[in-house]
Amino acid sequence: GAVVSQHPSWVICKSGTSVKIECRSLDFQATTMFWYRQFPKQSLMLMATSNEGSKATYEQGVEKDKFLINHASLTLSTLTVTSAHPEDSSFYICSAREQATTLNEKLFFGSGTQLSVL
Amino acid sequence: GENVEQHPSTLSVQEGDSAVIKCTYSDSASNYFPWYKQELGKRPQLIIDIRSNVGEKKDQRIAVTLNKTAKHFSLHITETQPEDSAVYFCAASKGGGGTSYGKLTFGQGTILTVHP
Repeated sequence: GAVVSQHPSWVICKSGTSVKIECRSLDFQATTMFWYRQFPKQSLMLMATSNEGSKATYEQGVEKDKFLINHASLTLSTLTVTSAHPEDSSFYICSAREQATTLNEKLFFGSGTQLSVL
Repeated sequence: GENVEQHPSTLSVQEGDSAVIKCTYSDSASNYFPWYKQELGKRPQLIIDIRSNVGEKKDQRIAVTLNKTAKHFSLHITETQPEDSAVYFCAASKGGGGTSYGKLTFGQGTILTVHP
């Protein structure tokens, strides 16, 4: 099946610094990628939809100036957590869908990034 | 927007028993319903999915049923094994193209524990 690579798998940073997370589709082109956040023992909450070549669409309550999303190519989307604070500590995970030539809704998830902000 | 409710939040069964997890959704336009298994710190793994034009789908020990009228769908695992222990999430989305294509709304999750 299709592979989505996400890096880093974990990161520890100091409060106030910025962290960039990469999500790559390795063997398919992804016009759309999704970024989710998951707090311990909770569900995955969609943060934003990343569209190649255009601005991301953020879910209600997600600060777009804090969570910067760039989808500059058909295989790469990045999420930058700016001025991270301890409350941003969470498991961040991306998913991607293949460039729509069929109506196959299967999504492919990255391996996730555990962010810990000290 | 879509709202997905999942029950129970925890489920404990003996090895060999069956396990059933239920979800309801609010948006009648949703037409794709996947189920994911997630182990601690890992990515969600798709275990089965169903589209709204089908009422039931089975894959070995796993089955999913969908009632569009009542807007609920269920996961059934038979002959459970200890390795089935994980967190299970249901989700719903609208397929068929457009900006909402692939945008999943997840249920709250069910922690399944299978005791040997």
